[in-house]
Amino acid sequence: KAGVTQTPRYLIKTRGQQVTLSCSPISGHRSVSWYQQTPGQGLQFLFEYFSETQRNKGNFPGRFSGRQFSNSRSEMNVSTLELGDSALYLCASSLGPGQGTYEQYFGPGTRLTVT
Amino acid sequence: KNEVEQSPQNLTAQEGEFITINCSYSVGISALHWLQQHPGGGIVSLFMLSSGKKKHGRLIATINIQEKHSSLHITASHPRDSAVYICAAVNNDMRFGAGTRLTVKP
Repeated sequence: KAGVTQTPRYLIKTRGQQVTLSCSPISGHRSVSWYQQTPGQGLQFLFEYFSETQRNKGNFPGRFSGRQFSNSRSEMNVSTLELGDSALYLCASSLGPGQGTYEQYFGPGTRLTVT
Repeated sequence: KNEVEQSPQNLTAQEGEFITINCSYSVGISALHWLQQHPGGGIVSLFMLSSGKKKHGRLIATINIQEKHSSLHITASHPRDSAVYICAAVNNDMRFGAGTRLTVKP
C-alpha cells in the first residue's frame, strides 16, 4: 500500500504571495491532518479534515486554510505569505474517528521557504 | 508551562546502552503517540497507547494515566536509533512535546 504523498517537496516563495500544498492519504484513510514544524515552535497542529469537513483547527491565523476532496486528498493554502511561514509542512492520514485506531501516518513534508 | 513536556532535550549514549525518554502532559488525552523523526524530516509513528505498555522489537513504551506520564525505552541502543523522538498528546488534535534528540555513538 502506498504511503502518504505530499507535493511539492520543496517550494520557494516571496513575501505576499500565496501557496497551495497537496496531500494524498493512504488508500482507505479518510482523515487528513496538517502540521507546521519550525525550529522555534516545533510541531504545531494546523487542522484536520474528515469526509470533506474540517473537524478541528489549531491556533493559526485565517491566512491558513485547507480543504478536502471526495477522494480524501487534501490541500492547504497559505495566503499573503510572511517570512515566519517558512517551515516544514507535514500532513498525516488516518482511518478517521470511529474507524478504529487514531494512529496517524505522516508524509515526507513540504519544505516551504519564504524570502 | 507547555502542555507536553519531554526530557531530556538532548541525549548522547554509547551503542548498547539502555535509553529512557520521558514525556509528561497536563491535558486530557485519549492516547499518547510516540514519533521518530530522522534528519531528513520524515516522521514515523512508533507507538499509540492509551494504557499500560507496548513493545516492538527493542522499543518499549509505557504510560501511567494517573500520573500523566509516559516513557519510551530503547534497549541495546544502536547508532541507527539516532533521531529526534517526539511524544504527542492525542485528543481532538495532537499537542506535541519539543522532542528529544538522541545520538547513539558506536
